[in-house]
Amino acid sequence: AQTVTQSQPEMSVQEAETVTLSCTYDTSESDYYLFWYKQPPSRQMILVIRQEAYKQQNATENRFSVNFQKAAKSFSLKISDSQLGDAAMYFCAYRSAYLTSGTYKYIFGTGTRLKVLA
Amino acid sequence: DTGVSQDPRHKITKRGQNVTFRCDPISEHNRLYWYRQTLGQGPEFLTYFQNEAQLEKSRLLSDRFSAERPKGSFSTLEIQRTEQGDSAMYLCASSFRGAVGYTFGSGTRLTVV
Repeated sequence: AQTVTQSQPEMSVQEAETVTLSCTYDTSESDYYLFWYKQPPSRQMILVIRQEAYKQQNATENRFSVNFQKAAKSFSLKISDSQLGDAAMYFCAYRSAYLTSGTYKYIFGTGTRLKVLA
Repeated sequence: DTGVSQDPRHKITKRGQNVTFRCDPISEHNRLYWYRQTLGQGPEFLTYFQNEAQLEKSRLLSDRFSAERPKGSFSTLEIQRTEQGDSAMYLCASSFRGAVGYTFGSGTRLTVV
């Protein structure tokens, strides 16, 4: 079974600075997707960035980028030029690329609460 | 279309009562998922529908839980004889066939007292 581990329950960053959130995962599969979701206090989960395992190039979305190390099974999120609106819970998630039992469920980590200091 | 809608946003119920939650997915999405999120944890998969067919149920979904998606549109999640351990956020998400990511709703927070 796949697992996702986020070892940082809470992180703080000064506004305009850069912060990196860690995520490791375990799987025996070779093809899968990895995601970072943001959950602000308003509760709706919002997709931040995703990475396909078959792609060597790290995904980037504006101020958000990932460091995907497939061999190490590591998937960290870097937030540059942090803004007050970035404060939220961040969840790392795994999804198999293989159709098993007809579903595409996610496996989430326990989350990292990011605080942005003014 | 304004995204995935869940109702109610909050529900407080006494132990032993039945509760029902509703999820309205994005209209063109044929896949619908229910997740449960307890305090300090990430969401955990409960069940999945493709159109009106329930294709997978987690072991977390005990006999007291039932989910339906009549006509492949909105879905309901019912919990019978609620227990304090059922207190959690219940999240609904939807996607269309071929999509990798989901769109989540804002969730229903259940408190069992």
